Amino acid sequence: AQKVTQAQTEISVVEKEDVTLDCVYETRDTTYYLFWYKQPPSGELVFLIRRNSFDEQNEISGRYSWNFQKSTSSFNFTITASQVVDSAVYFCALSEKETSGSRLTFGEGTQLTVNP
Amino acid sequence: GAGVSQTPSNKVTEKGKYVELRCDPISGHTALYWYRQSLGQGPEFLIYFQGTGAADDSGLPNDRFFAVRPEGSVSTLKIQRTERGDSAVYLCASSRGRGETQYFGPGTRLLVL
Repeated sequence: AQKVTQAQTEISVVEKEDVTLDCVYETRDTTYYLFWYKQPPSGELVFLIRRNSFDEQNEISGRYSWNFQKSTSSFNFTITASQVVDSAVYFCALSEKETSGSRLTFGEGTQLTVNP
Repeated sequence: GAGVSQTPSNKVTEKGKYVELRCDPISGHTALYWYRQSLGQGPEFLIYFQGTGAADDSGLPNDRFFAVRPEGSVSTLKIQRTERGDSAVYLCASSRGRGETQYFGPGTRLLVL
């Protein structure tokens, strides 16, 4: 069965600090997809990134970067020079191509607070 | 284009009543999903539609929950004989197809008194 673990329940940083959110996953499928979503206080889940299991290249988008390592089953998310607007709950999610169809399995989320 | 929309945004009902929650997916998205999110937790899968048919309903907690998508677009999640434990945010998402990125609506916050 698929599982996603986000061990950090809450993180608090001061503006301009870098912060890394951890995500560890479990799956038996060889083809799967990993996602990160942001949930601001308004409540709507905002899509950030999707990676497939065959693409281990790290990705950078502005202040956001993602480190995918199959050897450790991790898909970590780093925010560089954090800003107050980054305060939100961040969810990591997994979708297996074959075993569980299209369902997303989410981690418990990490509450990030960026203080001015 | 317009995103996923859900109505109502909030619903308060009494224990034992019947409720319907509506989801309007992104135009052209053939796949539609329902999730439930309890306070302080990640969303949990309920059901997945590909077109008009429920391709996977294994996440529905019991037979009080039912969902339809008769024309392959709008979907309705129906809950019979509501219980206080059904209180949660019900999220709908759509995607271009199986395995593609899911885009979420704002959710319906259900409170069962």
